[in-house]
Amino acid sequence: ETGVTQTPRHLVMGMTNKKSLKCEQHLGHNAMYWYKQSAKKPLELMFVYSLEERVENNSVPSRFSPECPNSSHLFLHLHTLQPEDSALYLCASSQDIGQATGELFFGEGSRLTVL
Amino acid sequence: LAKTTQPISMDSYEGQEVNITCSHNNIATNDYITWYQQFPSQGPRFIIQGYKTKVTNEVASLFIPADRKSSTLSLPRVSLSDTAVYYCLVGVTGFQKLVFGTGTRLLVSP
Repeated sequence: ETGVTQTPRHLVMGMTNKKSLKCEQHLGHNAMYWYKQSAKKPLELMFVYSLEERVENNSVPSRFSPECPNSSHLFLHLHTLQPEDSALYLCASSQDIGQATGELFFGEGSRLTVL
Repeated sequence: LAKTTQPISMDSYEGQEVNITCSHNNIATNDYITWYQQFPSQGPRFIIQGYKTKVTNEVASLFIPADRKSSTLSLPRVSLSDTAVYYCLVGVTGFQKLVFGTGTRLLVSP
């Protein structure tokens, strides 16, 4: 139990569906992240939020839309995805950004399959 | 960008000590070195972090030479449950330069 909870753990969707991934952290952290991990590829940083403000957007297609309503919750809205978007989507949090000694706390991930 | 290089895979047997070395030639003065462990279909978990010399906790040791251009994660007496991917990272939280590389896939056999 890392203090970061992701739902759903598994999601299967068609290319025309709209779905959302949810992340909640119970650690009192100020920063939250979305990472994508495709098969046999390194983790890719998608989005970074600090105090509910987006501070990093790593050239992610617009079919992925993040939302951070407060410092404890982070969503990833999915729309018109492609099969190559099938991956493990990981949410993480840290106390703050820009910390040299910071630790990332990851959730268990949401396994997404796009048909 | 503090890129890291690690062996792609390593094999070991139960009870042995495993040392995984990571090179990070362009590490910045302010960068710490952090190691994470990841099991299949789970998020990475923090193992250990250090700046220089040696750091030890209940699960691992981290050796960092004076020039800090490399680091070695040491796992004493591994068990089957230590089979995982191990990532070495350098940098600060929150930005793209904190890069997860391909990691080292450790397989521990009976």
